Amino acid sequence: GAGVSQSPSNKVTEKGKDVELRCDPISGHTALYWYRQRLGQGLEFLIYFQGNSAPDKSGLPSDRFSAERTGESVSTLTIQRTQQEDSAVYLCASSRVGEQFFGPGTRLTVL
Amino acid sequence: GEDVEQSLFLSVREGDSSVINCTYTDSSSTYLYWYKQEPGAGLQLLTYIFSNMDMKQDQRLTVLLNKKDKHLSLRIADTQTGDSAIYFCAEGTGGYQKVTFGTGTKLQVIP
Repeated sequence: GAGVSQSPSNKVTEKGKDVELRCDPISGHTALYWYRQRLGQGLEFLIYFQGNSAPDKSGLPSDRFSAERTGESVSTLTIQRTQQEDSAVYLCASSRVGEQFFGPGTRLTVL
Repeated sequence: GEDVEQSLFLSVREGDSSVINCTYTDSSSTYLYWYKQEPGAGLQLLTYIFSNMDMKQDQRLTVLLNKKDKHLSLRIADTQTGDSAIYFCAEGTGGYQKVTFGTGTKLQVIP
């Protein structure tokens, strides 16, 4: 596809359930980022993948959060035992060098 | 680690100039970016500046960089209601290094 895609666009879940969010980066982009954006707030860095290097997980807020990426393609962000404070828009971005291209985000609502 | 700071909110009257400020800590930053997030939309690159430049102008936008003080600003001349958005500052060292975002400044334009 032409841009970064994310699925699902919206996810409503119950507290305590696990959720998996998916990101399809632009083909050829070696870098992939996950961010969280709470309502009306700024970007919160979660994790960064660059090629085959070890990911930078310094932004993950707790061990309930994990992410994987297969080579330079799809990435999944998994949140286990979701809590209400996990409700946010989760944004994925990819880049080759420099400019990041953002996906439309997944809006997660934890009831 | 790298840190990028912005004020959270700015309110201006339509027709006035807006100045959004950003400070960063990484002295090896090579690229400084401004991204824009319009209500309900994704983030898109607005403009960027190389660290060997002091200023960059693009129509109503002027980017000023004070590398000594690690201070970046975005000036929007003749601010319009359509400029209402969240503006994010970001810095990177180029190549395959991680780009770090500020938390964003919400610009409100009063008609």
